[in-house]
Amino acid sequence: GESVGLHLPTLSVQEGDNSIINCAYSNSASDYFIWYKQESGKGPQFIIDIRSNMDKRQGQRVTVLLNKTVKHLSLQIAATQPGDSAVYFCAENRARNAGNMLTFGGGTRLMVKP
Amino acid sequence: NAGVTQTPKFRVLKTGQSMTLLCAQDMNHEYMYWYRQDPGMGLRLIHYSVGEGTTAKGEVPDGYNVSRLKKQNFLLGLESAAPSQTSVYFCASSWGAGAGELFFGEGSRLTVL
Repeated sequence: GESVGLHLPTLSVQEGDNSIINCAYSNSASDYFIWYKQESGKGPQFIIDIRSNMDKRQGQRVTVLLNKTVKHLSLQIAATQPGDSAVYFCAENRARNAGNMLTFGGGTRLMVKP
Repeated sequence: NAGVTQTPKFRVLKTGQSMTLLCAQDMNHEYMYWYRQDPGMGLRLIHYSVGEGTTAKGEVPDGYNVSRLKKQNFLLGLESAAPSQTSVYFCASSWGAGAGELFFGEGSRLTVL
């Protein structure tokens, strides 16, 4: 079936290293993707988004890469900090005409070791 | 601005009881959403609204009802709570369709005994 999923449920990195969080999607019709960060006890917060007509987009310390050929999305965090510890979700927009409905993946927990 | 505010933040219900979760946003967003989040899972869309007076079903609507009588408020109701509805509920809002981030509330943790 159609789904948005993640390769790894937990990722542990050393402070200062770069982090890469991966996400696979199966619906080739999806044209918009977002990464959210969720800290413990809080709601998800927008990090960065990318449209399907792009293959890379950069923000502050974050980069999202989109590979439409293999239906793969990744979030790269440069110089990972303790404050980056959280659960990260990718989401895809499958039905632009039916509202801004996003379908979320299961999440990856990022743990930053000091 | 407060953004998206959910009340209550915590609630314990007995099976069969009813309750309403209130979501309020002060960003003049047209779209509002209710999601539920269960352990180890992503957020699943329950219902959503594309404007005042409109509602639509999401991925997991059974057992829930919603109303959007005012643009800034989106209510989620449970008429007869079941243990399977134990979850954390998130409300979100956005400008419109097709693109753009969703702004989430802090969540409401509901336990049904």
